[in-house]
Amino acid sequence: GQNIDQPTEMTATEGAIVQINCTYQTSGFNGLFWYQQHAGEAPTFLSYNVLDGLEEKGRFSSFLSRSKGYSYLLLKELQMKDSASYLCAVNSNTGKLIFGQGTTLQVKP
Amino acid sequence: DGGITQSPKYLFRKEGQNVTLSCEQNLNHDAMYWYRQDPGQGLRLIYYSQIVNDFQKGDIAEGYSVSREKKESFPLTVTSAQKNPTAFYLCASSMVGGGRPQHFGDGTRLSIL
Repeated sequence: GQNIDQPTEMTATEGAIVQINCTYQTSGFNGLFWYQQHAGEAPTFLSYNVLDGLEEKGRFSSFLSRSKGYSYLLLKELQMKDSASYLCAVNSNTGKLIFGQGTTLQVKP
Repeated sequence: DGGITQSPKYLFRKEGQNVTLSCEQNLNHDAMYWYRQDPGQGLRLIYYSQIVNDFQKGDIAEGYSVSREKKESFPLTVTSAQKNPTAFYLCASSMVGGGRPQHFGDGTRLSIL
């Protein structure tokens, strides 16, 4: 079967670092995406990993281990505007994205 | 300015009524997708299309229908057979091929009167 797991909620403090984990079991794998979604808005693309290792983009980094079926999104120097849901999605070999339920991050002052 | 436009932003449906949600993109993307999002859940795929005049069912296609007569347009009809249509509907598009991110419209929130 296809399964993607993320924590439902996380809380962190402004200026801190937070790591959002994602584990997956899918019948095929052709890359993993992270999206940010503010309440009531469209998801926006953050990062893509297809090879093992860390991809860094400013305050955001994403890591992938294909052998462990594991990824994480790392957010540094947290800002209040980072309060949002973060969606992990696996690109199956059929070209379809399979989404996790999303992790709602609350950043507190 | 390229992007994906969904309309309307809010839509109300009466019992037994079909409604159609519009999705238009000017990104020249080949693939288009419809997702449903319920509170506390991830996005679930309803239908997708990778080329004009062709589309495939996603995981929750029952009670929905689509057409893809033009590359730019991928309307979704929520039929009366869909017994629980209240949800946030998102349309997306992408180039075909691995590693191409999907770009999303702003969504349509459908409610039952």
